[in-house]
Amino acid sequence: DAKTTQPTSMDCAEGRAANLPCNHSTISGNEYVYWYRQIHSQGPQYIIHGLKNNETNEMASLIITEDRKSSTLILPHATLRDTAVYYCIVGRGSISNFGNEKLTFGTGTRLTIIP
Amino acid sequence: ETGVTQSPTHLIKTRGQQVTLRCSSQSGHNTVSWYQQALGQGPQFIFQYYREEENGRGNFPPRFSGLQFPNYSSELNVNALELDDSALYLCASSLEWGQKNTEAFFGQGTRLTVV
Repeated sequence: DAKTTQPTSMDCAEGRAANLPCNHSTISGNEYVYWYRQIHSQGPQYIIHGLKNNETNEMASLIITEDRKSSTLILPHATLRDTAVYYCIVGRGSISNFGNEKLTFGTGTRLTIIP
Repeated sequence: ETGVTQSPTHLIKTRGQQVTLRCSSQSGHNTVSWYQQALGQGPQFIFQYYREEENGRGNFPPRFSGLQFPNYSSELNVNALELDDSALYLCASSLEWGQKNTEAFFGQGTRLTVV
């Protein structure tokens, strides 16, 4: 599986958009980009994933560059509850069928939302 | 609440002992994956079970073993515990490939301390 590179930590003001970058320069053509987050003392939670088109759901937006070597997760209006470690992962799957993909987590980005 | 229940929540064992961790998957989910998360690290894939058979394994020694039962609940067994086995053990449930499914749902984990 391709590896990802994320900043170790980021801060964002409450109410502002949080933009979390991820580099995945060795991603294969059939690999998806997944984002999960882990709030303290909880298990990871799925946020969003995509192949090459930008994706949006009720939690976030995912912007993938045209060459697919990097992506950005956008939390449009960050709240204190968004403080968590965010993981960018690449792996197999499909838009609708990816639940049992064997995930390779890195160390993620620790996002702190500042009041 | 993800519908995935793990027990116990915390456990202390002595080096050399054996431990069994349990996971009840979300209703209707027939695939269970186990992850180990050391302090300050991302989760690492241990293995996955689908319909009571192992369906993929990460880079973990044979003293890590598992079971899945007909009701899709699962156990993780670790023999000959070592100090480095101290970690948060996470279980995730999902549907198998070929079914339209959403994300894997993680439990809150079992915190194992080996002394």
